[in-house]
Amino acid sequence: EAGVAQSPRYKIIEKRQSVAFWCNPISGHATLYWYQQILGQGPKLLIQFQNNGVVDDSQLPKDRFSAERLKGVDSTLKIQPAKLEDSAVYLCASSQGDEQYFGPGTRLTVT
Amino acid sequence: ILNVEQSPQSLHVQEGDSTNFTCSFPSSNFYALHWYRWETAKSPEALFVMTLNGDEKKKGRISATLNTKEGYSYLYIKGSQPEDSATYLCALPRGFQKLVFGTGTRLLVSP
Repeated sequence: EAGVAQSPRYKIIEKRQSVAFWCNPISGHATLYWYQQILGQGPKLLIQFQNNGVVDDSQLPKDRFSAERLKGVDSTLKIQPAKLEDSAVYLCASSQGDEQYFGPGTRLTVT
Repeated sequence: ILNVEQSPQSLHVQEGDSTNFTCSFPSSNFYALHWYRWETAKSPEALFVMTLNGDEKKKGRISATLNTKEGYSYLYIKGSQPEDSATYLCALPRGFQKLVFGTGTRLLVSP
């Protein structure tokens, strides 16, 4: 069974630039999550999708972050414009129950 | 707000040492606790899901115990090896298929 795929794996951008991350969940998993993990902190949930609908985006900074899951499969997370404090690992996960399966993450550095 | 705490924040041991870390959580309304291992540049990997007070689970040299009455779980590694170097995360469910993560314990095992 293929795992959760994410790309790119690494990205370096300057502040005020835009960036997008892509996630392909495990086939058949209805729930998809985006987490932000800042160095020294635990992963923080940014947004949770159930199929193509948003379940929880209460911690998503909506003035600069956006996410979509068209057709209920792949998802993209966008930051526009990026700030220095957005430097983090962005993890995508999917689930079909209580257990979540994670991708390898995208390490973003904003300079 | 569900507060999940892990200690220590980081740990450096020599190959062959045994070690343990703690995950603390509110003891009321306990449902389950997840342990994950996250190696650098890889996907977080599920280690254990613990649900019953007094539970003890084992996977090779790694074991975990759970005390829901006092609100803690211990993760033990017997005879640490360099390949055990990783961040160990605990997480508790909150709401619909959501997890709240602790800050993690970063373990470095030197040869």
